[in-house]
Amino acid sequence: QKEVEQDPGPLSVPEGAIVSLNCTYSNSAFQYFMWYRQYSRKGPELLMYTYSSGNKEDGRFTAQVDKSSKYISLFIRDSQPSDSATYLCATNSMNTGNQFYFGTGTSLTVIP
Amino acid sequence: DGGITQSPKYLFRKEGQNVTLSCEQNLNHDAMYWYRQDPGQGLRLIYYSQIVNDFQKGDIAEGYSVSREKKESFPLTVTSAQKNPTAFYLCASSRDRATNEKLFFGSGTQLSVL
Repeated sequence: QKEVEQDPGPLSVPEGAIVSLNCTYSNSAFQYFMWYRQYSRKGPELLMYTYSSGNKEDGRFTAQVDKSSKYISLFIRDSQPSDSATYLCATNSMNTGNQFYFGTGTSLTVIP
Repeated sequence: DGGITQSPKYLFRKEGQNVTLSCEQNLNHDAMYWYRQDPGQGLRLIYYSQIVNDFQKGDIAEGYSVSREKKESFPLTVTSAQKNPTAFYLCASSRDRATNEKLFFGSGTQLSVL
């Protein structure tokens, strides 16, 4: 079983839609949860970062962590064509030190 | 501006040739990493370094080598022993050894075989 599982999509939505991106993870020891946005042939950009359970909101983006079900989500409200990218979830913990675990990424296209 | 600089953006390797990818950071981060990204696959860890003059193999280190002579620099050499080197290579760094809770990436180098 992979440490992090992510549906690769692709996901295509109309402009203005609410987007939900999801990952599951296997190790209950994971503490830090990240979402990265990666445009084609660019480096991943840290979008959201949360520690342990709960929600974190930043503008149109909300990251949610449910440790009881080992489920992490990223919601994008009022999606824009500029949101079209691949979104990677990632996790880490003090116990894994330098080891980060990534999902394979979900490709999102927002159609004008 | 603080960040991670990777060069070159595109690199071509001939048969039997070693090539070196550059990674420099001015974030004053202790830990640095090299990842390989292939289409449809997740990021795979090649090497990481938590401190100067020390580095550890990741999941796919065969055919690669690194050095960490300075805190801000972590170059990756793709040797001729790496038979399938075509991929997008990403350098990353994080603040310190104790926490490592945020990982920041460079802009990547696309390596192709001629």
